[in-house]
Amino acid sequence: QVQLQESGPGLVKPSQTLSLTCTVSGGSISSGDYYWSWIRQPPGKGLEWIGYIYYSGSTYYNPSLKSRVTISVDTSKNQFSLKLSSVTAADTAVYYCARGTVTAFDYWGQGTLVTVSS
Amino acid sequence: EIVLTQSPGTLSLSPGERATLSCRASQSVSSSYLAWYQQKPGQAPRLLIYGASSRATGIPDRFSGSGSGTDFTLTISRLEPEDFAVYYCQQYGSAYTFGQGTKLEIK
Repeated sequence: QVQLQESGPGLVKPSQTLSLTCTVSGGSISSGDYYWSWIRQPPGKGLEWIGYIYYSGSTYYNPSLKSRVTISVDTSKNQFSLKLSSVTAADTAVYYCARGTVTAFDYWGQGTLVTVSS
Repeated sequence: EIVLTQSPGTLSLSPGERATLSCRASQSVSSSYLAWYQQKPGQAPRLLIYGASSRATGIPDRFSGSGSGTDFTLTISRLEPEDFAVYYCQQYGSAYTFGQGTKLEIK
């Protein structure tokens, strides 16, 4: 059974960089069959896809966030990571990591709340 | 960017009734790339339907999906108490986008 777990600071100051890591267990990121995504959900609102990375390191980002997003992968640790720069209060959200294909996201982490506040 | 609009925003029904949720796309979506999720409070979304009409592993057959082009539907044939939640549609075109959600509440 594949499991994903997000980790990282729950509080980030405005203008700083948000950094999160997703650890995958029960399956290998290097299997090549999946894209590894970050998705967020502001409190009480809907879902927004941030971007994905393939095990080879190729990435694709949401055009609305592209200038601030970097996703990287560490296959030796079976982890992938998110960096979001120049954060504001609008970036406060629950951040999920998820495994997906071009069709859908079949496994999700439990999510981690990141609050942007001074 | 393809915009997905879900309707209604809130659907009030009783257990045992049939639920019909709509997802309309701003431009044509390949059926292969349309999915539905269920989300309960404090939980991550759960994949229900992919490829517009294929049930994900472990999803009961009271859940079904249909549609093509710009109009897609999620139907729950007979509501169980655990089905009351928020439902999202999602597509993959040049990027992934989600609808704004339909809240299914107990009447």
